[in-house]
Amino acid sequence: DIQMTQSPSTLSASVGDRITITCRASQSISSWLAWYQQRPGKAPELLIYKASSLESGVPSTFSGSGSGTEFTLTISSLQPDDFATYYCQQYNSYPWTFGQGTKVEVK
Amino acid sequence: QLQVQESGPGLLKPSETLSITCTVSGGSISSRSYYWGWIRQPLGQGLEWIGSFYYSGSTYYNPSLKSRVTISVDTSKNQFSLKLGSVTAADTALYYCARLRNTATAKDGLIDYWGQGTLVTVSS
Repeated sequence: DIQMTQSPSTLSASVGDRITITCRASQSISSWLAWYQQRPGKAPELLIYKASSLESGVPSTFSGSGSGTEFTLTISSLQPDDFATYYCQQYNSYPWTFGQGTKVEVK
Repeated sequence: QLQVQESGPGLLKPSETLSITCTVSGGSISSRSYYWGWIRQPLGQGLEWIGSFYYSGSTYYNPSLKSRVTISVDTSKNQFSLKLGSVTAADTALYYCARLRNTATAKDGLIDYWGQGTLVTVSS
């Protein structure tokens, strides 16, 4: 299985901050990486696919980059709705696997 | 507007079989554009893909669960179901049904729509 490791596990930030979350794969996954946002008590929602493509309806403050084994999710200006947990997921090869999550909390 | 709704038992005893059904409305599980599947999340923890299927009959399971898992499909009701045998406390989780995008490149694990999830607790 491909292991996905996110850092940090928790990130404290303020509204308006620029934040970056990193996701590393245990082997190359090309660009087959997705990012999801999960608000408390809600199902995850797709933000980014194929490492850098923004899902329809997702604010342009979200962006993704990377390829191979290292990827980043950036929020350029944190909004109140963005305090949530973020997961990366590889879909290069079965079984599809997720990172352990990064919780973005209020500083 | 796509809607997916999970229905499950809520509480199970160890060694029993978990059975959850996902009912899809506003879309067809026979669509060539999508796979459908199951993901679970122990409370306060991360996400685990359980398995997926395509309308043609192809089914894929996570090897960690494969010996205990079956996904079945009822196209006449636009439903699909998850069965997980010999459950233990470690199977206590929120179970999501989901739609996965068919990229026609064998990279079909992109989950673009999630149900709200159904909590299954395994306890004696």
